[in-house]
Amino acid sequence: KNEVEQSPQNLTAQEGEFITINCSYSVGISALHWLQQHPGGGIVSLFMLSSGKKKHGRLIATINIQEKHSSLHITASHPRDSAVYICAVRQTSGSRLTFGEGTQLTVNP
Amino acid sequence: DGGITQSPKYLFRKEGQNVTLSCEQNLNHDAMYWYRQDPGQGLRLIYYSQIVNDFQKGDIAEGYSVSREKKESFPLTVTSAQKNPTAFYLCASSISQGYGYTFGSGTRLTVV
Repeated sequence: KNEVEQSPQNLTAQEGEFITINCSYSVGISALHWLQQHPGGGIVSLFMLSSGKKKHGRLIATINIQEKHSSLHITASHPRDSAVYICAVRQTSGSRLTFGEGTQLTVNP
Repeated sequence: DGGITQSPKYLFRKEGQNVTLSCEQNLNHDAMYWYRQDPGQGLRLIYYSQIVNDFQKGDIAEGYSVSREKKESFPLTVTSAQKNPTAFYLCASSISQGYGYTFGSGTRLTVV
């Protein structure tokens, strides 16, 4: 079993829909990252969370430390949001990240 | 602007040849990392370095080598011992305590 599990693996939505991507982890963490990878391959960091909730534009990330679960929400989705979204956790010891397999999001116009 | 530069973006090599991937950062980050990404899999750690002249093996270090002679640079050599080198390689850096990760744009290596 992977230490970081994401669901769903693939998600197709219509423009304007509200989207949720989930991340569950089984290890002790000091921080959780949400990353975005576009078709060209480069990765952009969206959020780093250690508790609560963060919002940036149409993106919202939440984390529940007790339940070891995080969600990434996209409101009013747009085709330009199409990308792979990756959850990664920084374990309690060290500076390494452990990554989920990613969620491929496709938003159709 | 500060960031990480990986070069080249695409690289083709013949089987049996060693190849070196470049990673340079101007963020003054202490820690640097190399990851490998294969279709349908999460990023896997190859090597990481927390300070100059020191580095540690990650989860899939066999067939790879690195050096960290300068804080800004962390090149990765894919040797002929790597059985399946065709993959997408990502370099990253972070502030030493593991915060403030920045990723490069990646190098896609194809071995023919």
